[in-house]
Amino acid sequence: DSQMTQSPSTLSASVGDRVTITCRASQSISSLLAWYQQKPGKAPKLLIYKASSLESGVPSRFSGGGSGTEFTLTISSLQPDDFATYYCQQYNSLWTFGQGTKVEIK
Amino acid sequence: EVQLVESGGGLVQPGGSLRLSCVASGFTFSSYEMNWVRQAPGRGLEWVSYISSSGYIVHYADAVRGRFTISRDNAKNSLYLQMNSLRAEDTALYYCARVVGEHQVDYWGQGTLVTVSS
Repeated sequence: DSQMTQSPSTLSASVGDRVTITCRASQSISSLLAWYQQKPGKAPKLLIYKASSLESGVPSRFSGGGSGTEFTLTISSLQPDDFATYYCQQYNSLWTFGQGTKVEIK
Repeated sequence: EVQLVESGGGLVQPGGSLRLSCVASGFTFSSYEMNWVRQAPGRGLEWVSYISSSGYIVHYADAVRGRFTISRDNAKNSLYLQMNSLRAEDTALYYCARVVGEHQVDYWGQGTLVTVSS
């Protein structure tokens, strides 16, 4: 199974900043990668699937990119509601999550 | 509206057993594959187990294989996780989650907490 490594583990940013989170797979997973947002005490929420497809209802400031082994999640202009923890997940071979990236207020 | 409601969690001693349930509504449960995913307190997400829509195909994470059994009852719109030989490291919030498309997960329940401690 592919191991997923996210960076950074923590990211400090301000409202309005452009933010990018990276996820690397230990082997090629094609484009079978999803991104989730999780807030404290809540279940994860699907943001992006198939590396770059925006889930219905998710704001367009979220975008995903990449294929093979390197992927990114970008928030074009960070909003107050976006401070949360973000996880990547591969589903090319069973399912594996990255360790998470906490986006906190600078 | 899609809803997934887990139950069955609680405090259990090491070596004990628990059966988790997840009741689905708002969609045709029998048409969807399902996962169990867990999250230890203050930690990240960990996939636990998968079951096909028919229930004939199942997969398990190495950490639980041989101890946990996933099953479903499509007539009752229900998903189950039988957990035996529980260990302290199984302590976590357990989510059931719906699998769609090329196997991404689109909906999650709110989770049920399992605590393994003496």
